[in-house]
Amino acid sequence: DAKTTQPTSMDCAEGRAANLPCNHSTISGNEYVYWYRQIHSQGPQYIIHGLKNNETNEMASLIITEDRKSSTLILPHATLRDTAVYYCIVRAYGGATNKLIFGTGTLLAVQP
Amino acid sequence: ETGVTQSPTHLIKTRGQQVTLRCSSQSGHNTVSWYQQALGQGPQFIFQYYREEENGRGNFPPRFSGLQFPNYSSELNVNALELDDSALYLCASSLDSSGNTIYFGEGSWLTVV
Repeated sequence: DAKTTQPTSMDCAEGRAANLPCNHSTISGNEYVYWYRQIHSQGPQYIIHGLKNNETNEMASLIITEDRKSSTLILPHATLRDTAVYYCIVRAYGGATNKLIFGTGTLLAVQP
Repeated sequence: ETGVTQSPTHLIKTRGQQVTLRCSSQSGHNTVSWYQQALGQGPQFIFQYYREEENGRGNFPPRFSGLQFPNYSSELNVNALELDDSALYLCASSLDSSGNTIYFGEGSWLTVV
């Protein structure tokens, strides 16, 4: 079973910031938080990952709480093309496999 | 573009038949994993290959099998197809199995009739 819980769906106005929450209260010390998104009928796209510090790249920012039990993915200026299912995944570093356990994700609908 | 390419993009098979799906990993990536995604669900891990050996498997029966070749390309084979095998099959590659970022291809849509 997935170790994360996310809202089923969210709406965001185009041009505004989209803040997608994720709870991972049972995360272990060696587990990273990864975010992927999947636009309809395409393969999952890597967005960002982090361990305990906040991270930013050209796509998004990741804010992880100090106790690491939750995180927020921020898309600073959402566009219609950001409409997708967003998956939050915890993943151990140094494990034997690259197994990712996907939950049901959050369907983000960006409205014009 | 992730550099992970899959073929075919769509195919239709009849129940009981066998299917082979192919994947070309991102350059330099020696680890490949396969996922099955049924309609409306998240991807489910099938198995992983590292340096041509299977080194991890999800909850899938033995009729799901794979190969990884010396150039790190990979195949997923499914025998005795069932209607429930209809899904999007995703290939993912990474630099190794220890935690580097995993990149997915666009998938192969399989319909079993």
